[in-house]
Amino acid sequence: DAKTTQPTSMDCAEGRAANLPCNHSTISGNEYVYWYRQIHSQGPQYIIHGLKNNETNEMASLIITEDRKSSTLILPHATLRDTAVYYCIVRRGGSQGNLIFGKGTKLSVKP
Amino acid sequence: ETGVTQTPRHLVMGMTNKKSLKCEQHLGHNAMYWYKQSAKKPLELMFVYSLEERVENNSVPSRFSPECPNSSHLFLHLHTLQPEDSALYLCASSQRDRHGNTIYFGEGSWLTVV
Repeated sequence: DAKTTQPTSMDCAEGRAANLPCNHSTISGNEYVYWYRQIHSQGPQYIIHGLKNNETNEMASLIITEDRKSSTLILPHATLRDTAVYYCIVRRGGSQGNLIFGKGTKLSVKP
Repeated sequence: ETGVTQTPRHLVMGMTNKKSLKCEQHLGHNAMYWYKQSAKKPLELMFVYSLEERVENNSVPSRFSPECPNSSHLFLHLHTLQPEDSALYLCASSQRDRHGNTIYFGEGSWLTVV
């Protein structure tokens, strides 16, 4: 599975959009981009995933560049409860459960 | 509420004890997993069960023994653990097919070995 690069930390004001970037320049054609987050002391929470089209669900939007070498997770109206570590993971569709969690981005939402 | 329920949430056990962690998934998935998360370390995959058959065992010591009696339940039996086994143990499930394999995690069981 391809490697990903994320900023170590980011701040966001409550009520504003949080835009979390991820680079995955070695992504292959059959690899999906997944986003998870982990709030302290809890299990990772699935947020969203996509292959090449932009995706949106009730939690977030995922924007994938046309060359698929980078993506951005957007939380449209961040709240204090969105403070967490966000992980961008690239993996093949249908592959078994070896999710490789890197260090992620620590997002701090401030009042 | 993730659809994956783990019990107990917290467990303290001595090195000579035998205990078990339990996981139940209510999502109708066909694969279940055990992960370990130690302090300041990334998530480590321990075991994978697909259709109740163990398909992956990532060099986990024999003091950890998984059991998958059916597609909804997964156990991790623990015996003669070491203090360094203290960690957050996460159960997860997914519906594995050729299009995707989104994994959903439980809240985890915090284990302390004394």
